[in-house]
Amino acid sequence: AQKITQTQPGMFVQEKEAVTLDCTYDTSDPSYGLFWYKQPSSGEMIFLIYQGSYDQQNATEGRYSLNFQKARKSANLVISASQLGDSAMYFCAMREFNNAGNMLTFGGGTRLMVKP
Amino acid sequence: DAGVIQSPRHEVTEMGQEVTLRCKPISGHNSLFWYRQTMMRGLELLIYFNNNVPIDDSGMPEDRFSAKMPNASFSTLKIQPSEPRDSAVYFCASSDISRTGELFFGEGSRLTVL
Repeated sequence: AQKITQTQPGMFVQEKEAVTLDCTYDTSDPSYGLFWYKQPSSGEMIFLIYQGSYDQQNATEGRYSLNFQKARKSANLVISASQLGDSAMYFCAMREFNNAGNMLTFGGGTRLMVKP
Repeated sequence: DAGVIQSPRHEVTEMGQEVTLRCKPISGHNSLFWYRQTMMRGLELLIYFNNNVPIDDSGMPEDRFSAKMPNASFSTLKIQPSEPRDSAVYFCASSDISRTGELFFGEGSRLTVL
């Protein structure tokens, strides 16, 4: 079974609007962390935001916020006020602290395209 | 601070040749990862090291692939002999295992095997 599922291969959003990128995960480990990375066309992987399984509040980082719904095992990324520079691939990833050492497992990614 | 440094950035080689990719992790990080990215398979973990020791190499495709980490500041991924299906972007990443485990990626090595 897939540990990280991103069901949206591609999405469009109008500049200045908010967009939600979906991520669901599967784990039996009670201690885990969820990450989002951005990969622009230049190819580098840029860390955006982190949410720990025991964190009480949703993580926020500037225009990025993580809608963490533990019971539903979802960790959606919300980008507010989209900018043209937000056009990129976005990857959700998970680290299972007890079960899988220090490795991160990545989802298949969502390509976001911001329209002017 | 310097980030993760990979070399070469681009490599074009012929089938059958040996390819060596190099990585210098961030100083102080104790975990190092090699990922491969292709359009078909996305991001795949090949192998990772904790404190220079290989922990999980189950992602290494076959015996043609090998990775070493002789010290805390250097790692290599070798493909011998290379095949066209090895064409991909190879990322090295490092992290501090005592923290959240956020990976810091290098810029990647784009390999093309003709």
